[in-house]
Amino acid sequence: SQTIHQWPATLVQPVGSPLSLECTVEGTSNPNLYWYRQAAGRGLQLLFYSVGIGQISSEVPQNLSASRPQDRQFILSSKKLLLSDSGFYLCAWKVQKLFFGSGTQLSVL
Amino acid sequence: QKEVEQNSGPLSVPEGAIASLNCTYSDRGSQSFFWYRQYSGKSPELIMSIYSNGDKEDGRFTAQLNKASQYVSLLIRDSQPSDSATYLCAVVVYNFNKFYFGSGTKLNVKP
Repeated sequence: SQTIHQWPATLVQPVGSPLSLECTVEGTSNPNLYWYRQAAGRGLQLLFYSVGIGQISSEVPQNLSASRPQDRQFILSSKKLLLSDSGFYLCAWKVQKLFFGSGTQLSVL
Repeated sequence: QKEVEQNSGPLSVPEGAIASLNCTYSDRGSQSFFWYRQYSGKSPELIMSIYSNGDKEDGRFTAQLNKASQYVSLLIRDSQPSDSATYLCAVVVYNFNKFYFGSGTKLNVKP
């Protein structure tokens, strides 16, 4: 069966520090992969999606970047975190429908 | 981003009642519609999908779609306290790659 792994579950980072969140998928090949962010009390904002290795589409210009170095690996990065980067980050994959990982709660202080 | 609108709530219903959750969307090219449930601090989980006009039932849940009115709803029959959560509406435009979400409606089911 297909599963999606996302880590860490929680992260506290100082302003100006770098960020790397990783997501991996098992049990499928060439999935569409997504990064979403959810600010406190808000809906899901689509940040990036990828339809294949090295193919990244950015939805919102911001302080973040994404990479897909392997078929089932999706990485979200930042060189210097801002306070506004705080939120709940969700990786997701699509098989006709969208399924989410367990999420990373990021607090930038 | 494409607009998907939901009433933020909270919507309060007594246990055993029908909860009605609504969602409107702006892009007439939208083809697929989904309802997700999200408990506090957890990731969203898929409840229902609907692709054509009309009703689709799954257990206590019924999704309703009206593309002419750009409106999709979710009915929860015999609401239970465990249904208390935030319900997110998601819409996919024609290329089926981008899922756009509403801000969610918080549902409280009172025992």
